[in-house]
Amino acid sequence: QKEVEQDPGPLSVPEGAIVSLNCTYSNSAFQYFMWYRQYSRKGPELLMYTYSSGNKEDGRFTAQVDKSSKYISLFIRDSQPSDSATYLCAMRDNAGGTSYGKLTFGQGTILTVHP
Amino acid sequence: DVKVTQSSRYLVKRTGEKVFLECVQDMDHENMFWYRQDPGLGLRLIYFSYDVKMKEKGDIPEGYSVSREKKERFSLILESASTNQTSMYLCASSLYGGLYEQYFGPGTRLTVT
Repeated sequence: QKEVEQDPGPLSVPEGAIVSLNCTYSNSAFQYFMWYRQYSRKGPELLMYTYSSGNKEDGRFTAQVDKSSKYISLFIRDSQPSDSATYLCAMRDNAGGTSYGKLTFGQGTILTVHP
Repeated sequence: DVKVTQSSRYLVKRTGEKVFLECVQDMDHENMFWYRQDPGLGLRLIYFSYDVKMKEKGDIPEGYSVSREKKERFSLILESASTNQTSMYLCASSLYGGLYEQYFGPGTRLTVT
């Protein structure tokens, strides 16, 4: 079983739809949760991050973490064609030492928002 | 503005060749990472380095080695390329102590024939 599971999609939605992207994980030591966005032919870029459980909102994007269920979500409201990309969840524990900075990524979900 | 550059966007090599992929970052980051990205498998960590001449194996180090002689440069080496190493290779860097943000290069699409 992978440490982080993410439905690869692809997901195709009309412009204006609400999009829900999800990841589950098995390692209870994960404390930091991130969403990266990757446009075609580009490297991933950090979109949002949260620490431990709770919600975080940034414009049209909301990240949720439910540590009791080991489940994280990214919601996109009023989706736009410019949101078309691959979305990767990532997470890490709080360990120091040489493992510092190492992230575990999900498989990525390919999202297309059509006009 | 952080910039991570990779030496090639596309590379075609033959089976058995020795392949070098170069990555350079300009933000004085301590940590550097090499990933491969395959459909349905996401990003898998090959090797990472937290200091010059220091390296640690990631999740899939077999068939790869790395070199970090200077802080800004991290090289991935395929000692004897095989067709199952055909993939997108992504380099990333981050601050030592940085909690979540890694900065990625644009990737190198390697095809081994």
